Amino acid sequence: KNQVEQSPQSLIILEGKNCTLQCNYTVSPFSNLRWYKQDTGRGPVSLTIMTFSENTKSNGRYTATLDADTKQSSLHITASQLSDSASYICVVSATGTYKYIFGTGTRLKVLA
Amino acid sequence: NAGVTQTPKFQVLKTGQSMTLQCAQDMNHEYMSWYRQDPGMGLRLIHYSVGAGITDQGEVPNGYNVSRSTTEDFPLRLLSAAPSQTSVYFCASSSGAPGPQYFGPGTRLTVL
Repeated sequence: KNQVEQSPQSLIILEGKNCTLQCNYTVSPFSNLRWYKQDTGRGPVSLTIMTFSENTKSNGRYTATLDADTKQSSLHITASQLSDSASYICVVSATGTYKYIFGTGTRLKVLA
Repeated sequence: NAGVTQTPKFQVLKTGQSMTLQCAQDMNHEYMSWYRQDPGMGLRLIHYSVGAGITDQGEVPNGYNVSRSTTEDFPLRLLSAAPSQTSVYFCASSSGAPGPQYFGPGTRLTVL
């Protein structure tokens, strides 16, 4: 069964610190993996998209990595800011389909 | 560009009532989709469309109808609302499978 699992479920860090969020998937055949940021009460916003051949992609202070062999991805946030407080969602799609499998997200809270 | 717009933002229905959630995009995207987001679960695909006149079922289509008469609009119809349909509904659009999905702000629906 195609699944996307994220860890941790929630995380609290101090402003200025770094953190790493994890995503494991069993979607096959793999097409691409996305990370989204969802602020409370709003729709998800795309951060990065990686295909099979890409193993790292950055968007400002956000850096995503992908290991297609172990079917794992991580999202690293550098020098966190209060505005980074949100849910971060990992999404994987299979080749030949428009259907995306969403993880349940990691809820990040950044404290001053 | 307004991006993806959804109306209404909030809605309360009684069991058995019907209603239509509106979704429109002004980016000329071919692919549009509807998701529901429930606490503790990832977004789940209800229906999607790869172009005007073409729709297909997602993971949880029961109780919902869609049509796509224009590229811009993709309404979601609840035929006979049930309490299990209490959720936050998101519409999304994209230009193609590898591209980012753009999400609307969501509709929070409560069925009593």
